[in-house]
Amino acid sequence: ELKVEQNPLFLSMQEGKNYTIYCNYSTTSDRLYWYRQDPGKSLESLFVLLSNGAVKQEGRLMASLDTKARLSTLHITAAVHDLSATYFCAVDQLDSNYQLIWGAGTKLIIKP
Amino acid sequence: NAGVTQTPKFQVLKTGQSMTLQCAQDMNHNSMYWYRQDPGMGLRLIYYSASEGTTDKGEVPNGYNVSRLNKREFSLRLESAAPSQTSVYFCASNDQGVNEKLFFGSGTQLSVL
Repeated sequence: ELKVEQNPLFLSMQEGKNYTIYCNYSTTSDRLYWYRQDPGKSLESLFVLLSNGAVKQEGRLMASLDTKARLSTLHITAAVHDLSATYFCAVDQLDSNYQLIWGAGTKLIIKP
Repeated sequence: NAGVTQTPKFQVLKTGQSMTLQCAQDMNHNSMYWYRQDPGMGLRLIYYSASEGTTDKGEVPNGYNVSRLNKREFSLRLESAAPSQTSVYFCASNDQGVNEKLFFGSGTQLSVL
């Protein structure tokens, strides 16, 4: 059974600092997704990582995937308040591209 | 750009009542999904429809039924609501194999008393 674990689950940080959110999964998969959710809002796709070694960057966020270690990281560079949100990773089940297993989310608060 | 539209946004039901959540997308996507989100947990897939005319169970289908009415619309029905179904429900769509990312509706906050 595929399980997805994110850590930390809660992160309070100062603006300008760098931090990393980790997403570990338990069985083989080669597709991983990162989403953002603002409080009381819907989810928005950030990154789609489709192969081992994939790295994608958008502004102050960079995501990477290591399928051998079953690990993805979401790195935040020089955090700004607008990045405060909950970040979710989700992993494809190999036998069903339609069924994602989601992490519990990392609630990120960035203080001025 | 409407994207994925869900109705209603809020609903309060009494135990045993029934209701249908509506979802429509205007992006010509083949695949549609219903998720529920509970506090402190990731999303869990209730049902999905890979393409028009097909539906399949997800991780937590018990107590729910779905209908893929046409390519645009995918509804979720609670036949006899239970307090355990209190949750936020999200509809999503994508073109699996073409553009993997999911597009989500704005969600339905459902409370079952």
